[in-house]
Amino acid sequence: GAGVSQSPSNKVTEKGKDVELRCDPISGHTALYWYRQRLGQGLEFLIYFQGNSAPDKSGLPSDRFSAERTGESVSTLTIQRTQQEDSAVYLCASSLGTGAQQETQYFGPGTRLLVL
Amino acid sequence: AQSVSQHNHHVILSEAASLELGCNYSYGGTVNLFWYVQYPGQHLQLLLKYFSGDPLVKGIKGFEAEFIKSKFSFNLRKPSVQWSDTAEYFCAVISITGGFKTIFGAGTRLFVKA
Repeated sequence: GAGVSQSPSNKVTEKGKDVELRCDPISGHTALYWYRQRLGQGLEFLIYFQGNSAPDKSGLPSDRFSAERTGESVSTLTIQRTQQEDSAVYLCASSLGTGAQQETQYFGPGTRLLVL
Repeated sequence: AQSVSQHNHHVILSEAASLELGCNYSYGGTVNLFWYVQYPGQHLQLLLKYFSGDPLVKGIKGFEAEFIKSKFSFNLRKPSVQWSDTAEYFCAVISITGGFKTIFGAGTRLFVKA
């Protein structure tokens, strides 16, 4: 089927506003990952879902960041009271979720967030 | 804390030159290692991975990488690059005891001159 999709592809917002980013994983993939990539830097792990639960939230940078996943499908990453340092590309990836850590992660195109 | 270091941020090569991109990680336990590539305008995709067995791993498009445990390294190589290899390359590590948290390096931008 289709690959991982993310929306919106671009988002410009004002400092202090809330934003919601969406990820649609590949159908049948039970594992889902969120990453952040700031300009000129590598990917920063944010959170991982296995099914609808998130066993690893260690990468969320602050309590302004939250994520949820419903129906073992769509996930949303919410950033409250956005700050300029939140500007980045937010990438979502999914994998089969068999429990094998060597599973390949399939990445979406990302959402470019700019906080003015 | 775990970290992944990619030594070169930018590499410029002529076609047919040999390529080696360095990757070192800091973690003493058992790890799974990956190289991902992002071609211009495309998504990140897996190039190759190592999790056990032969430390010399072959991936797509003629790339290979060698896991040297004693050096905590997983360098990416290709004997003869092509213009179409122009892309950004990311090394990544998952520790066996660290759940599914994947640590990525900062990336290396490769530009191959035709």
